Amino acid sequence: DAMVIQNPRYQVTQFGKPVTLSCSQTLNHNVMYWYQQKSSQAPKLLFHYYDKDFNNEADTPDNFQSRRPNTSFCFLDIRSPGLGDAAMYLCATSRSQSSYEQYFGPGTRLTVT
Amino acid sequence: AQKVTQAQTEISVVEKEDVTLDCVYETRDTTYYLFWYKQPPSGELVFLIRRNSFDEQNEISGRYSWNFQKSTSSFNFTITASQVVDSAVYFCALLSPGAGSYQLTFGKGTKLSVIP
Repeated sequence: DAMVIQNPRYQVTQFGKPVTLSCSQTLNHNVMYWYQQKSSQAPKLLFHYYDKDFNNEADTPDNFQSRRPNTSFCFLDIRSPGLGDAAMYLCATSRSQSSYEQYFGPGTRLTVT
Repeated sequence: AQKVTQAQTEISVVEKEDVTLDCVYETRDTTYYLFWYKQPPSGELVFLIRRNSFDEQNEISGRYSWNFQKSTSSFNFTITASQVVDSAVYFCALLSPGAGSYQLTFGKGTKLSVIP
């Protein structure tokens, strides 16, 4: 089945230690998104890629970076995780920017110790 | 600015009861899209429905139905004959692409618990 895959499902990192979360998709969608969802809150968009074009939300901290080496993969890099970065990180895709349904992966739950 | 309000933080119903989840939105755009997503305990957000601002027809899909009313800026979601598997957090979301933004604006979610 075509899907959005996130690895790992659970990630533990130390305060200040860089961490990378990965997302892959078999849907061949042009757009990929990264959301942060803290406990009992709604998802918050960090950034998205339309093909290779990177679009950062204005309030996304510089500590968060992203890479999209090809259509199928997208990575979220947290350069120096703080305790406040502990959250669920959700990857989503959509076919194009005019096809508005976003399909989400299962998420990676990040713990910062 | 866009805003989505889900006034019900938590709802509990007994299995087989009907339940309606409320969603009220705000946008200045004339073209916009409304969504409902389900987030079960596993964490994955599951797409349920998309509605365009120019299509006010209500929709039914099995036990799920959606009532879109532009006059009251509401997009309510009803589950009939609820089941335990319906227990999840449900998010209503709005997308207004007119300003070039493709960001989904989510409500805070409604946690639905269906009790056997």
